Amino acid sequence: QVQLQESGPGLVKPSETLSLTCTVSGDSISSSDNYWGWIRQPPGKGLEWIGTISYSGTLYYNPSLKSRVILSVDTSDNKFSLRLTSVTAADTAMYFCGRHRFGVGLGVWGQGTTVTVSS
Amino acid sequence: DVQMTQSPSTLSASVGDRVTITCRASQSISNWLAWYQQKPRKAPKLLIYKVSSLESGVPSRFSGSGSGTEFTLTINNLQPEDFATYYCQQYSHTWTFGQGTKVENK
Repeated sequence: QVQLQESGPGLVKPSETLSLTCTVSGDSISSSDNYWGWIRQPPGKGLEWIGTISYSGTLYYNPSLKSRVILSVDTSDNKFSLRLTSVTAADTAMYFCGRHRFGVGLGVWGQGTTVTVSS
Repeated sequence: DVQMTQSPSTLSASVGDRVTITCRASQSISNWLAWYQQKPRKAPKLLIYKVSSLESGVPSRFSGSGSGTEFTLTINNLQPEDFATYYCQQYSHTWTFGQGTKVENK
């Protein structure tokens, strides 16, 4: 059974960098046809895609966040990470990681982690 | 960027009703469209992918249709556990989610 688990600080100060990690179990992060993504949801609002990294390391970003997003993969620890720089209160949200199999959609999600941006 | 527009934003229905949610893409996305169900404080759950393929374990009362730019999610015989928020997502040109449709109890 594939499971994803987000981890990282729940509180980040304005102008600092938000860093989250998604640990994958039950699947290899470098398996072909796997895409690993980050999605966020501000309180009371809808889902916003942040970015995706493919099994081959190709990166895809939401254009509205691209200048502040850094995605990376650690194949040795089977995890992938998100860094969002220069955060503001608008970045306060529940952050989810997910696995997207090619052509199939986001079939596996982490439970989500709440990040609050506040001094 | 591909924009996804869902309608309605809120829908009031009763158990046993047939419910239809529409999602419109700003350009053709072929058949690269998925639907998700989200309940409060939970991660979304994949219901349908490639417009009409039912994810394993999803009840057959859920169905999807459409092509190009116009897509529909239909829930037949609405059940109590179906009251939730539903999102469409295109994955033809990177990813974009619709703004969501909340199905509430009338």
